[in-house]
Amino acid sequence: GQNIDQPTEMTATEGAIVQINCTYQTSGFNGLFWYQQHAGEAPTFLSYNVLDGLEEKGRFSSFLSRSKGYSYLLLKELQMKDSASYLCAVRDSTDSWGKLQFGAGTQVVVTP
Amino acid sequence: GEEVAQTPKHLVRGEGQKAKLYCAPIKGHSYVFWYQQVLKNEFKFLISFQNENVFDETGMPKERFSAKCLPNSPCSLEIQATKLEDSAVYFCASSPPEPGPNTIYFGEGSWLTVV
Repeated sequence: GQNIDQPTEMTATEGAIVQINCTYQTSGFNGLFWYQQHAGEAPTFLSYNVLDGLEEKGRFSSFLSRSKGYSYLLLKELQMKDSASYLCAVRDSTDSWGKLQFGAGTQVVVTP
Repeated sequence: GEEVAQTPKHLVRGEGQKAKLYCAPIKGHSYVFWYQQVLKNEFKFLISFQNENVFDETGMPKERFSAKCLPNSPCSLEIQATKLEDSAVYFCASSPPEPGPNTIYFGEGSWLTVV
């Protein structure tokens, strides 16, 4: 919650690239998740990072630096359907399975 | 079912009334989680279950909130004597017995409005 920061909103044009940054502070780290949430719908899982580096999955990539408490989600070749809220969530190593700390989400608006 | 089913989708209650929300996890899943999202802000973890047992209740408000997961019944989240500040979207999620990072599935949420 309050220890996870991400921008409120980002706007980009169709076909472009957008990078959503997320910084976090936890007492112990055990994984970072990115979810996509369209308005009025369930959040859906996009990616998971627990080790430093880049995870690529099609048009979406996620990066993690544990020493910096930093992650980003990279969306390439933006499509109109990518307009959604993107949630960064962290699992603290002291927390039980399924207990995630979420950021407030970044609303991405894709324009024609 | 193949999705987490939450009912009702929308619920309006007057202050002081009781609200009860339901969640049917994906068939075969043994973990259920409840989260609260107030005014599109970050999700707040409330409680989790492993089958019918409370797994982690560290996020549950000490008063007015209760939850159950009984065998052969949807899980429920109940709020006694609702307050305006309880207005939020309540998300349920479920996970299989051997969970992995991409195995938390969320429902579409129940929107509670307290007036």
